Parts: sequence; structure tokens; C-alpha cells
Amino acid sequence: AQTVTQSQPEMSVQEAETVTLSCTYDTSESDYYLFWYKQPPSRQMILVIRQEAYKQQNATENRFSVNFQKAAKSFSLKISDSQLGDAAMYFCAYRSGDSWGKLQFGAGTQVVVTP
Amino acid sequence: DGGITQSPKYLFRKEGQNVTLSCEQNLNHDAMYWYRQDPGQGLRLIYYSQIVNDFQKGDIAEGYSVSREKKESFPLTVTSAQKNPTAFYLCASRGSGSFSGELFFGEGSRLTVL
Repeated sequence: AQTVTQSQPEMSVQEAETVTLSCTYDTSESDYYLFWYKQPPSRQMILVIRQEAYKQQNATENRFSVNFQKAAKSFSLKISDSQLGDAAMYFCAYRSGDSWGKLQFGAGTQVVVTP
Repeated sequence: DGGITQSPKYLFRKEGQNVTLSCEQNLNHDAMYWYRQDPGQGLRLIYYSQIVNDFQKGDIAEGYSVSREKKESFPLTVTSAQKNPTAFYLCASRGSGSFSGELFFGEGSRLTVL
């Protein structure tokens, strides 16, 4: 079974600064997808960014970017120019190529943004 | 607007009672999912359904039951057999056109056993 590990329970960042969240995963598959979800205090999960394993290029979405290291099975999220609205729990998730939407989630990293 | 609606937001239950959490989507998605979230843990899959009248157990199905009689609806029943039901429950759906498997989530239901 695949496992997803987020080793940082909490990260603090000042407004306008950059923070990087780490995620590692364990798999023997070559076809899979990786995601970062954000869960603000409202508790609704919001997709931040996705990465297909077959793509070498790192995904970016505005201030959010990933560093995908396939050989190292690492998938970190970088939040640039942090804003107060970025404060949330962030979850890394894995989906194998044939699992039809079933996601495996990490334990989450709480991001605290200070003015 | 299209989305996923979960109800109730908060639910209190006495031990020994069954409760049903509602999940309705108007996204025309085929697949629907129930996840459980506990403090300090990620989301864990309870049940999922890829199509009407079909559903599969996830990683922690014991003590739960579901039905999928309509495409729009995927209710979850937390039975008295679930030993530790106090948790936050999230429903999600996925369209068949979503190549990457992105899930759309509802706002969740908080169940507390008294």
C-alpha cells in the first residue's frame, strides 16, 4: 500500500515571505498523480495544485509551485509571497494511475501566517 | 451553482444510535467518496461508489454503510457498530472527465457521540 508522509506538523511564515512544505511518498508504481489540498478553517478541502508523475516539469499555480523529485519520491509545495489567507492545513495526496480517484492523504501541515 | 452539499453540519448522537449523513451533488459526477478526518491524521477513505447501484469498501469501512440509488446522492450511515464515530466526515465526488482524479469536496459534517 502506498503511504504519504508529511513530516512537518506546523510551519510558520511571515507575510510576503516564502514557505516550503515537504511531502514524501512510497510507491512501486510508475503511473500516479500527486496533489496538494488546502483546508482553511471552514474545513472545506480545496485543490491547490496537481502533478502528473509522467511530467518532468514542475507544476505551478500563481504563487504555488511544487518541486517534484520522482526518483526521491518527494513532492514539496512552495508558497511564495505568503498572504494571511494562506493560513490553513495543507494535505499532500497520492493517487495511483488505476485507483479511480481514491486518494491517499498525508497527516497534514498547519501553515501559520504572521503579519 | 454546482457543488456538493453535506448535511447536517453538526450532529450529536447517543451511543447505540445509528445516524445518516447526507451528501448531494449537482456536478453530474459519476464517482462519489466518503472520507473520515481525525485530529492529527489525514483523510481516510470509508466507502466509494463509481456508479449508481455500486459501491466499494475503503480502508475503514467497518461500522459504516452506504447506498447509491441515485447519481446525485451518496448517504453514509454510521451504525452503532462503529466503535469510535466521533469525527469529521467529508464527502467528495469526481467527474469521469477528470483525467488526474481531482476530487471536489463538500463542507463536511461533524459527528459527536455523547
